[in-house]
Amino acid sequence: EDKVVQSPLSLVVHEGDTVTLNCSYEVTNFRSLLWYKQEKKAPTFLFMLTSSGIEKKSGRLSSILDKKELFSILNITATQTGDSAVYLCASDSGNTGKLIFGQGTTLQVKP
Amino acid sequence: GAVVSQHPSRVICKSGTSVKIECRSLDFQATTMFWYRQFPKKSLMLMATSNEGSKATYEQGVEKDKFLINHASLTLSTLTVTSAHPEDSSFYICSALDAVRNYEQYFGPGTRLTVT
Repeated sequence: EDKVVQSPLSLVVHEGDTVTLNCSYEVTNFRSLLWYKQEKKAPTFLFMLTSSGIEKKSGRLSSILDKKELFSILNITATQTGDSAVYLCASDSGNTGKLIFGQGTTLQVKP
Repeated sequence: GAVVSQHPSRVICKSGTSVKIECRSLDFQATTMFWYRQFPKKSLMLMATSNEGSKATYEQGVEKDKFLINHASLTLSTLTVTSAHPEDSSFYICSALDAVRNYEQYFGPGTRLTVT
């Protein structure tokens, strides 16, 4: 059965800290790994990763995929209170376009 | 990025009534849309895949007679929660797959359903 597992499930840090969120996956017909940020409404897209070892960056956020070890990490440097959210990792299993989501990591950044 | 809308954003209904939620892709055609359900503090659970012009494909454990899906055009899918019960109260999110440009999924803003 396809599955995506995230860790930790929750995290509390202080502003300025750096955090690393983990996502491992076991998916047949793997096509891509996606990261989303969810605040009060629907998820907003952060990154899509398809190739191993290529880091994607957007401001203070970065992510990388390891297709050999079947995991991805999302790094957030110099965290701010606005980074507080649920971070979701999902795997796209190829032909159908279906996304399989992990449980999410709830990040709380304290001032 | 592409835009997907959902309507209504919030709805309160009485037990036993039916509620229809619309999902529209505003600037691209989507032959495939997905419906998710999210419980408080939980992740997104895929309910069904909505295919334009054909029957929806439901995930295991999702009652197709309870959650009716219609994908009558390339820009609109609807989810109807029939004979709603309080346990159907949830956050329902749709997404639309842009299979032509980049094969990315774009999420709607979600619909908060409360059944009293």
